[in-house]
Amino acid sequence: GAVVSQHPSWVICKSGTSVKIECRSLDFQATTMFWYRQFPKQSLMLMATSNEGSKATYEQGVEKDKFLINHASLTLSTLTVTSAHPEDSSFYICSRGVPVPLTQYFGPGTRLTVL
Amino acid sequence: AQKVTQAQTEISVVEKEDVTLDCVYETRDTTYYLFWYKQPPSGELVFLIRRNSFDEQNEISGRYSWNFQKSTSSFNFTITSSQVVDSAVYFCALYGSEYGNKLVFGAGTILRVKS
Repeated sequence: GAVVSQHPSWVICKSGTSVKIECRSLDFQATTMFWYRQFPKQSLMLMATSNEGSKATYEQGVEKDKFLINHASLTLSTLTVTSAHPEDSSFYICSRGVPVPLTQYFGPGTRLTVL
Repeated sequence: AQKVTQAQTEISVVEKEDVTLDCVYETRDTTYYLFWYKQPPSGELVFLIRRNSFDEQNEISGRYSWNFQKSTSSFNFTITSSQVVDSAVYFCALYGSEYGNKLVFGAGTILRVKS
Protein backbone atom coordinates (compact mmCIF):
# COMPACT_ATOMS: atom_id res chain seq x y z
CA GLY A 1 0.00 0.00 0.00
CA ALA A 2 0.91 3.66 -0.20
CA VAL A 3 3.52 4.87 2.24
CA VAL A 4 3.29 8.57 1.39
CA SER A 5 0.09 10.55 0.92
CA GLN A 6 -0.47 14.03 -0.44
CA HIS A 7 -3.38 16.36 -0.11
CA PRO A 8 -4.94 17.77 -2.16
CA SER A 9 -4.43 15.71 -5.28
CA TRP A 10 -5.30 18.70 -7.40
CA VAL A 11 -6.05 22.34 -6.78
CA ILE A 12 -7.07 25.29 -8.90
CA CYS A 13 -6.55 28.75 -7.49
CA LYS A 14 -6.56 32.36 -8.55
CA SER A 15 -3.41 34.29 -9.14
CA GLY A 16 -2.17 35.96 -5.97
CA THR A 17 -3.56 33.42 -3.55
CA SER A 18 -1.56 30.96 -1.45
CA VAL A 19 -1.91 27.23 -1.61
CA LYS A 20 -0.81 24.67 0.97
CA ILE A 21 0.06 21.11 0.02
CA GLU A 22 0.40 18.43 2.69
CA CYS A 23 2.67 15.42 2.54
CA ARG A 24 2.33 12.64 5.07
CA SER A 25 4.56 9.69 5.75
CA LEU A 26 2.14 6.89 6.59
CA ASP A 27 4.37 4.13 7.83
CA PHE A 28 7.59 5.72 8.97
CA GLN A 29 8.65 8.66 11.07
CA ALA A 30 10.58 10.67 8.55
CA THR A 31 13.06 13.26 9.74
CA THR A 32 13.68 14.14 6.13
CA MET A 33 11.25 14.55 3.28
CA PHE A 34 11.74 15.95 -0.19
CA TRP A 35 9.74 18.21 -2.47
CA TYR A 36 9.97 17.95 -6.22
CA ARG A 37 8.43 19.82 -9.09
CA GLN A 38 7.64 18.29 -12.44
CA PHE A 39 6.64 20.19 -15.56
CA PRO A 40 4.67 18.41 -18.29
CA LYS A 41 6.74 15.79 -20.10
CA GLN A 42 9.79 16.63 -18.05
CA SER A 43 11.76 15.02 -15.31
CA LEU A 44 11.57 15.69 -11.60
CA MET A 45 13.41 18.66 -10.20
CA LEU A 46 14.28 18.68 -6.53
CA MET A 47 13.09 21.88 -4.93
CA ALA A 48 14.02 21.40 -1.31
CA THR A 49 14.78 19.01 1.48
CA SER A 50 12.43 19.28 4.42
CA ASN A 51 14.01 18.66 7.81
CA GLU A 52 11.89 17.93 10.87
CA GLY A 53 12.32 20.61 13.49
CA SER A 54 14.63 22.80 11.44
CA LYS A 55 14.72 24.94 8.34
CA ALA A 56 14.36 23.40 4.94
CA THR A 57 17.29 23.27 2.58
CA TYR A 58 16.44 24.78 -0.78
CA GLU A 59 18.04 23.98 -4.10
CA GLN A 60 19.75 26.70 -6.05
CA GLY A 61 17.27 28.87 -7.88
CA VAL A 62 14.27 27.98 -5.72
CA GLU A 63 12.77 30.99 -3.96
CA LYS A 64 12.49 30.33 -0.24
CA ASP A 65 9.89 33.02 0.30
CA LYS A 66 7.82 31.70 -2.56
CA PHE A 67 7.81 28.08 -1.54
CA LEU A 68 7.49 27.84 2.22
CA ILE A 69 8.21 24.46 3.71
CA ASN A 70 7.28 23.39 7.21
CA HIS A 71 8.15 20.02 8.72
CA ALA A 72 6.55 20.30 12.13
CA SER A 73 6.20 16.62 12.88
CA LEU A 74 7.86 13.38 11.91
CA THR A 75 4.97 12.45 9.66
CA LEU A 76 3.93 15.73 8.08
CA SER A 77 5.63 18.20 5.79
CA THR A 78 3.81 21.06 4.10
CA LEU A 79 4.64 23.14 1.06
CA THR A 80 2.94 26.51 0.74
CA VAL A 81 3.09 28.27 -2.60
CA THR A 82 2.69 31.91 -1.68
CA SER A 83 1.18 34.51 -3.98
CA ALA A 84 0.82 31.93 -6.69
CA HIS A 85 1.12 32.93 -10.33
CA PRO A 86 0.36 30.98 -13.50
CA GLU A 87 4.03 30.07 -13.90
CA ASP A 88 3.78 28.18 -10.60
CA SER A 89 1.34 25.76 -12.20
CA SER A 90 2.99 22.38 -12.05
CA PHE A 91 2.90 18.89 -10.57
CA TYR A 92 4.35 18.89 -7.07
CA ILE A 93 5.54 15.62 -5.61
CA CYS A 94 6.88 14.82 -2.18
CA SER A 95 8.87 11.84 -1.07
CA ARG A 96 10.35 10.39 2.03
CA GLY A 97 13.48 8.38 2.25
CA VAL A 98 14.73 5.64 4.45
CA PRO A 99 18.36 5.92 5.56
CA VAL A 100 18.89 2.30 4.83
CA PRO A 101 18.44 1.26 2.10
CA LEU A 102 18.25 4.85 0.83
CA THR A 103 15.15 4.33 -1.20
CA GLN A 104 12.79 7.26 -1.69
CA TYR A 105 9.08 6.57 -1.79
CA PHE A 106 6.92 9.12 -3.50
CA GLY A 107 3.50 10.54 -2.86
CA PRO A 108 0.84 10.60 -5.57
CA GLY A 109 1.54 14.23 -6.40
CA THR A 110 -0.52 17.43 -6.39
CA ARG A 111 -1.43 19.14 -9.61
CA LEU A 112 -1.57 22.89 -9.12
CA THR A 113 -3.22 25.13 -11.67
CA VAL A 114 -3.05 28.87 -11.13
CA LEU A 115 -5.49 30.92 -13.18
CA ALA B 1 27.13 16.87 -19.12
CA GLN B 2 24.11 14.97 -17.92
CA LYS B 3 24.63 12.85 -14.87
CA VAL B 4 21.96 10.35 -15.85
CA THR B 5 21.22 9.92 -19.53
CA GLN B 6 18.18 8.18 -20.89
CA ALA B 7 18.75 8.59 -24.57
CA GLN B 8 15.42 7.11 -25.63
CA THR B 9 12.79 9.80 -25.33
CA GLU B 10 9.93 7.59 -26.43
CA ILE B 11 9.53 3.94 -27.39
CA SER B 12 6.49 2.32 -28.92
CA VAL B 13 6.06 -1.43 -29.01
CA VAL B 14 3.30 -3.89 -29.66
CA GLU B 15 2.08 -6.06 -26.85
CA LYS B 16 4.24 -9.12 -26.13
CA GLU B 17 7.33 -7.55 -27.58
CA ASP B 18 10.40 -7.29 -25.38
CA VAL B 19 11.74 -3.80 -24.78
CA THR B 20 14.92 -2.46 -23.22
CA LEU B 21 15.20 0.98 -21.68
CA ASP B 22 18.71 2.37 -21.55
CA CYS B 23 20.32 4.30 -18.72
CA VAL B 24 23.87 5.62 -18.67
CA TYR B 25 25.24 7.47 -15.67
CA GLU B 26 28.26 9.52 -14.69
CA THR B 27 29.83 9.66 -11.27
CA ARG B 28 33.22 9.75 -9.60
CA ASP B 29 31.90 8.10 -6.48
CA THR B 30 32.92 4.54 -5.76
CA THR B 31 29.82 4.02 -3.65
CA TYR B 32 26.56 5.01 -5.25
CA TYR B 33 23.05 3.72 -5.84
CA LEU B 34 20.99 3.40 -8.96
CA PHE B 35 17.21 3.28 -9.16
CA TRP B 36 14.41 2.75 -11.61
CA TYR B 37 10.99 4.29 -11.07
CA LYS B 38 7.80 3.93 -13.08
CA GLN B 39 5.39 6.84 -13.48
CA PRO B 40 2.05 5.69 -14.91
CA PRO B 41 -0.49 8.19 -16.26
CA SER B 42 -1.84 8.66 -12.73
CA GLY B 43 1.42 10.43 -11.89
CA GLU B 44 2.55 8.52 -8.83
CA LEU B 45 6.12 7.29 -9.03
CA VAL B 46 6.48 3.63 -8.27
CA PHE B 47 9.78 2.27 -7.02
CA LEU B 48 10.99 -0.65 -9.10
CA ILE B 49 14.55 -1.42 -8.07
CA ARG B 50 17.61 -0.16 -6.22
CA ARG B 51 21.14 -1.28 -6.98
CA ASN B 52 24.31 -0.41 -5.11
CA SER B 53 27.58 0.05 -6.92
CA PHE B 54 29.13 -3.04 -5.40
CA ASP B 55 26.47 -5.39 -6.61
CA GLU B 56 26.72 -6.01 -10.31
CA GLN B 57 24.58 -9.09 -10.24
CA ASN B 58 21.75 -8.85 -12.70
CA GLU B 59 18.28 -9.10 -11.29
CA ILE B 60 15.05 -10.54 -12.55
CA SER B 61 11.63 -9.90 -11.12
CA GLY B 62 8.86 -11.47 -13.11
CA ARG B 63 8.85 -9.86 -16.54
CA TYR B 64 11.33 -7.21 -15.42
CA SER B 65 15.09 -7.60 -15.51
CA TRP B 66 17.97 -5.24 -14.98
CA ASN B 67 21.50 -5.32 -16.36
CA PHE B 68 24.06 -3.34 -14.38
CA GLN B 69 27.48 -2.92 -16.00
CA LYS B 70 29.97 -0.69 -14.22
CA SER B 71 32.44 -0.97 -17.07
CA THR B 72 30.08 0.93 -19.33
CA SER B 73 28.29 2.88 -16.55
CA SER B 74 24.99 1.49 -17.65
CA PHE B 75 21.94 0.21 -15.83
CA ASN B 76 19.49 -1.01 -18.43
CA PHE B 77 15.97 -2.21 -17.82
CA THR B 78 14.24 -4.88 -19.89
CA ILE B 79 10.56 -5.71 -19.93
CA THR B 80 9.84 -9.12 -21.39
CA SER B 81 6.56 -9.76 -23.16
CA SER B 82 5.33 -6.20 -22.65
CA GLN B 83 1.74 -5.46 -21.71
CA VAL B 84 -0.46 -2.41 -22.16
CA VAL B 85 -0.26 -1.80 -18.41
CA ASP B 86 3.47 -1.27 -18.80
CA SER B 87 2.76 1.99 -20.63
CA ALA B 88 4.30 4.69 -18.48
CA VAL B 89 7.26 6.99 -18.13
CA TYR B 90 10.29 5.24 -16.70
CA PHE B 91 12.96 7.15 -14.83
CA CYS B 92 16.46 6.05 -14.01
CA ALA B 93 18.04 7.83 -11.03
CA LEU B 94 21.42 8.05 -9.31
CA TYR B 95 22.24 8.71 -5.68
CA GLY B 96 25.70 9.46 -4.36
CA SER B 97 27.84 11.90 -2.41
CA GLU B 98 29.15 13.59 -5.58
CA TYR B 99 25.66 14.96 -6.12
CA GLY B 100 25.03 15.95 -2.55
CA ASN B 101 23.36 12.70 -1.51
CA LYS B 102 20.28 13.55 -3.51
CA LEU B 103 18.44 11.63 -6.16
CA VAL B 104 19.39 12.76 -9.65
CA PHE B 105 16.88 11.73 -12.27
CA GLY B 106 17.28 11.09 -15.94
CA ALA B 107 14.92 12.75 -18.39
CA GLY B 108 12.72 9.68 -18.52
CA THR B 109 11.62 7.36 -21.31
CA ILE B 110 8.00 7.23 -22.39
CA LEU B 111 6.99 3.65 -23.13
CA ARG B 112 3.84 3.07 -25.15
CA VAL B 113 2.64 -0.49 -25.45
CA LYS B 114 -0.06 -0.97 -28.05
CA SER B 115 -2.49 -3.85 -28.12
